[in-house]
Amino acid sequence: GQQLNQSPQSMFIQEGEDVSMNCTSSSIFNTWLWYKQDPGEGPVLLIALYKAGELTSNGRLTAQFGITRKDSFLNISASIPSDVGIYFCAGLIQGAQKLVFGQGTRLTINP
Amino acid sequence: DGGITQSPKYLFRKEGQNVTLSCEQNLNHDAMYWYRQDPGQGLRLIYYSQIVNDFQKGDIAEGYSVSREKKESFPLTVTSAQKNPTAFYLCASSHGGLPTEAFFGQGTRLTVV
Repeated sequence: GQQLNQSPQSMFIQEGEDVSMNCTSSSIFNTWLWYKQDPGEGPVLLIALYKAGELTSNGRLTAQFGITRKDSFLNISASIPSDVGIYFCAGLIQGAQKLVFGQGTRLTINP
Repeated sequence: DGGITQSPKYLFRKEGQNVTLSCEQNLNHDAMYWYRQDPGQGLRLIYYSQIVNDFQKGDIAEGYSVSREKKESFPLTVTSAQKNPTAFYLCASSHGGLPTEAFFGQGTRLTVV
């Protein structure tokens, strides 16, 4: 199947630090979505991106749809303990009807 | 409140038994999806349905079956043919035929004992 490369796989940071993670692919995407999953729960949609170059913020979160349409990044500023969890990128490949998910980035915050 | 509900939260099954996971949504979404999540991995698509009475296999459909008799409901049956059924199962729905913004249920953790 199609692959999304999400990195890093895990991050260990101090509270208050900024965080950056990204997803890349060899395929062209029409849509990028970023989700957060808490342990034992379903993913919750954080940000949706629909146009190349689009930069969207949701509070301390900022995500961008890459100009090449093959990548996206998510930044979290001034991290707090409740940011802990697994972050997934997901994309809708041009011409496809299924979302492709990255492997996730596990974020751990030391107080 | 609109939402998507999965039940039960935890499910235990003996080897060789079929089991059905429930997924109901009251968001009036056309499309519904089932994903499987294994520890440390991303989500893999099992089946999806873009409209009532129609569904398509995803990437890992073997050993699973679904039905879509009502817009609100998309139950998943894990059959005895599924060799490694212990996993976290997630149901999602989206407006329209494409998963442009999929909303997820809280998941069902299935354990085979």
